[in-house]
Amino acid sequence: QKEVEQNSGPLSVPEGAIASLNCTYSDRGSQSFFWYRQYSGKSPELIMSIYSNGDKEDGRFTAQLNKASQYVSLLIRDSQPSDSATYLCAVSGGYQKVTFGTGTKLQVIP
Amino acid sequence: ETGVTQTPRHLVMGMTNKKSLKCEQHLGHNAMYWYKQSAKKPLELMFVYSLEERVENNSVPSRFSPECPNSSHLFLHLHTLQPEDSALYLCASSQDELSPSPLHFGNGTRLTVT
Repeated sequence: QKEVEQNSGPLSVPEGAIASLNCTYSDRGSQSFFWYRQYSGKSPELIMSIYSNGDKEDGRFTAQLNKASQYVSLLIRDSQPSDSATYLCAVSGGYQKVTFGTGTKLQVIP
Repeated sequence: ETGVTQTPRHLVMGMTNKKSLKCEQHLGHNAMYWYKQSAKKPLELMFVYSLEERVENNSVPSRFSPECPNSSHLFLHLHTLQPEDSALYLCASSQDELSPSPLHFGNGTRLTVT
């Protein structure tokens, strides 16, 4: 059973702080890794994708991948109340059968 | 319209009803998907279509029947559902089913089975 594990939260951070979201996965053959943001009552939207070990930065968001440890994380710098949402980690083994985690709920406190 | 459009947004149906969910994508993608999202559970892949051919059926009960008449349209036909089928049903599309391209989701249909 391929699994993606996330802490369900809620993770509460003050406005302006760094939010750190973590994800582990069980399938060592996984090749593609995604972070989706889902606001309450809305559909998931892609915010980051990462395919190789290391860091990938896009604005306030940084995705980190460590395939040896089967670990992927998302850092949100200068967190804003508008970042309050559920963040879904998704992992794919190449063939487009994506496995999602249950998501981490982030609350940014003004 | 752009992106992925799903209708209806909300649906309430009895266990003996027959209804259909509709999805349309305007992104020129070749692959389309149905996902089920229930509270406290991860998104569950139900079906994958690539160029109108079904390439994945994730052990979904036969009371759910997909149809993909062309690469832009996807339907999910529902009949004799159970209360535990109440969930958010999400349609998604991607460039194709082989490359690691991200999924683009529609707004979903919130289904309630009474």
